[in-house]
Amino acid sequence: AQSVAQPEDQVNVAEGNPLTVKCTYSVSGNPYLFWYVQYPNRGLQFLLKYITGDNLVKGSYGFEAEFNKSQTSFHLKKPSALVSDSALYFCAVRDWYNNNDMRFGAGTRLTVKP
Amino acid sequence: DVKVTQSSRYLVKRTGEKVFLECVQDMDHENMFWYRQDPGLGLRLIYFSYDVKMKEKGDIPEGYSVSREKKERFSLILESASTNQTSMYLCASSRQKNEKLFFGSGTQLSVL
Repeated sequence: AQSVAQPEDQVNVAEGNPLTVKCTYSVSGNPYLFWYVQYPNRGLQFLLKYITGDNLVKGSYGFEAEFNKSQTSFHLKKPSALVSDSALYFCAVRDWYNNNDMRFGAGTRLTVKP
Repeated sequence: DVKVTQSSRYLVKRTGEKVFLECVQDMDHENMFWYRQDPGLGLRLIYFSYDVKMKEKGDIPEGYSVSREKKERFSLILESASTNQTSMYLCASSRQKNEKLFFGSGTQLSVL
């Protein structure tokens, strides 16, 4: 089955600085890749997805992610972090060839300090 | 707006009890999922269903079963609850595999 790794449990950045949250994936076929965010005491919210086409995808709240097939990565980025971006971020993958299931990473807690 | 509704936000059960977690979606989605979320472990897939009466095991199906008799409803059953099943349970649905999942608000289950 497909899988996702988020190598960092925690990422700390200063407000106004660029942020990156890392994600690598493993699939047998071609991937559908997703990022979700979870704010405290709230459900998961969709940020963006890569299906096909441009390797750089743009999503909600100014976030973007870059798909890199050779490195099997899909890192989440934002040029200028806000304190309100502090949350738990999850990367997820579906394999277009196989089942309909979606696998998630362990999550990365982003803290943006003023 | 689209909606995935989980029947309970908080639930407290005793060890050995049979527990039912209900999930209903109003989007006519084919695919429905049950995950559990634990700190440091992320979301782990328990079961999913791609059609009525169809089900597939995820990564951690042991101790759980599911039922999907109608397209809009996907139930998770803990046959005999144990303390290690204390967790946040999340239901989700989607239409096609290239589309995002819509999540419910979650059920925080405590097994004492």
